[in-house]
Amino acid sequence: DAGITQSPRHKVTETGTPVTLRCHQTENHRYMYWYRQDPGHGLRLIHYSYGVKDTDKGEVSDGYSVSRSKTEDFLLTLESATSSQTSVYFCAISESGGALEDTQYFGPGTRLTVL
Amino acid sequence: GENVEQHPSTLSVQEGDSAVIKCTYSDSASNYFPWYKQELGKRPQLIIDIRSNVGEKKDQRIAVTLNKTAKHFSLHITETQPEDSAVYFCAASIHSSASKIIFGSGTRLSIRP
Repeated sequence: DAGITQSPRHKVTETGTPVTLRCHQTENHRYMYWYRQDPGHGLRLIHYSYGVKDTDKGEVSDGYSVSRSKTEDFLLTLESATSSQTSVYFCAISESGGALEDTQYFGPGTRLTVL
Repeated sequence: GENVEQHPSTLSVQEGDSAVIKCTYSDSASNYFPWYKQELGKRPQLIIDIRSNVGEKKDQRIAVTLNKTAKHFSLHITETQPEDSAVYFCAASIHSSASKIIFGSGTRLSIRP
């Protein structure tokens, strides 16, 4: 497995509280991604980063924000968690964003439950 | 934007038989098509990929075919084994300066002994 870790691996929180998930990589890859995985929906892109301080929205970005202050860390924040954000969150990395070298490698996932 | 549809959502085959999973995509500019396997409770892992300049790629018991005209691609697993049981995801990349891969909804493959 590529050098990707996520923390925490499991979290239970209450509606309305802020939550931050962390993705850490040791591969020095430029691109980092946050996905959520829900039954029947596969993997849906939340946000991605193409460099330090460079981020962009994915298809399901509402209610989420991200930050990348260092190459190795990509943070996902749920500003005010809702029950609809209960999901498994995966971080992924890729060496480049070009179409020829964009194989993505996934982290182990974070299971988030919002009560 | 790109949309990827995957069928079937569930598939059960006898051990030793072949399994085929099909995907269609909407953006004709897509040119990279990876397949991921996800075992229960694990992360998705790349098993094979194909780029738009080839029509077929094979790796041991796994093969992928691409029909750019029809905008569909398929995963073929031959001589299935119990360890092939997993959820399989197809994906297509949007051709842009940043790599945004759109995933299909997944196929749960079960291998019957």
